[in-house]
Amino acid sequence: DQQVKQNSPSLSVQEGRISILNCDYTNSMFDYFLWYKKYPAEGPTFLISISSIKDKNEDGRFTVFLNKSAKHLSLHIVPSQPGDSAVYFCAAKSGGSNYKLTFGKGTLLTVNP
Amino acid sequence: SQTIHQWPATLVQPVGSPLSLECTVEGTSNPNLYWYRQAAGRGLQLLFYSVGIGQISSEVPQNLSASRPQDRQFILSSKKLLLSDSGFYLCAWSPWTSDNEQFFGPGTRLTVL
Repeated sequence: DQQVKQNSPSLSVQEGRISILNCDYTNSMFDYFLWYKKYPAEGPTFLISISSIKDKNEDGRFTVFLNKSAKHLSLHIVPSQPGDSAVYFCAAKSGGSNYKLTFGKGTLLTVNP
Repeated sequence: SQTIHQWPATLVQPVGSPLSLECTVEGTSNPNLYWYRQAAGRGLQLLFYSVGIGQISSEVPQNLSASRPQDRQFILSSKKLLLSDSGFYLCAWSPWTSDNEQFFGPGTRLTVL
């Protein structure tokens, strides 16, 4: 049972345009969501997160939106740069003492110059 | 600042051989520590986590074990590797004060032949 789903395995955008990466979840107990960026043969790098008490969090070019009723979150990158080309993982966790992050399968973003 | 190290970076082992992967964290005390595996075409799966020396929690039954002999050292082991153990193994840490964001090491690519 895949509780965090990234339905688009890949996404290609032009440099300077907006990249929108989507993530859906099924577990209503999730209350904290994270995005990670991963280059080949490297560990994931934490990008941005959002708590379920918010619907938006912004950090520079990166903005995460959360729609709790739809159990959907998205990562917007504006403007997209070639260096943003990587695999992006969505992750979620539930509250309390639960340490587990549940990850999606990732979306490969390619930003073309 | 905190840094996390993993070694080796790559490893090729025959089926039935033992395994020992090591992870160390610098620049922090009492971190929560995690072992993840990324199999080909899949997301990251949590294998083990530890909130202190000698305290190990296992997420999935498997051919692997983990140990935490020191505060900032986390070891992943197997007595006999299986072909299905091949994958990209990632160690991660989070501050003991907050387990929301987890920070990953560079990973170990394990190929079992």
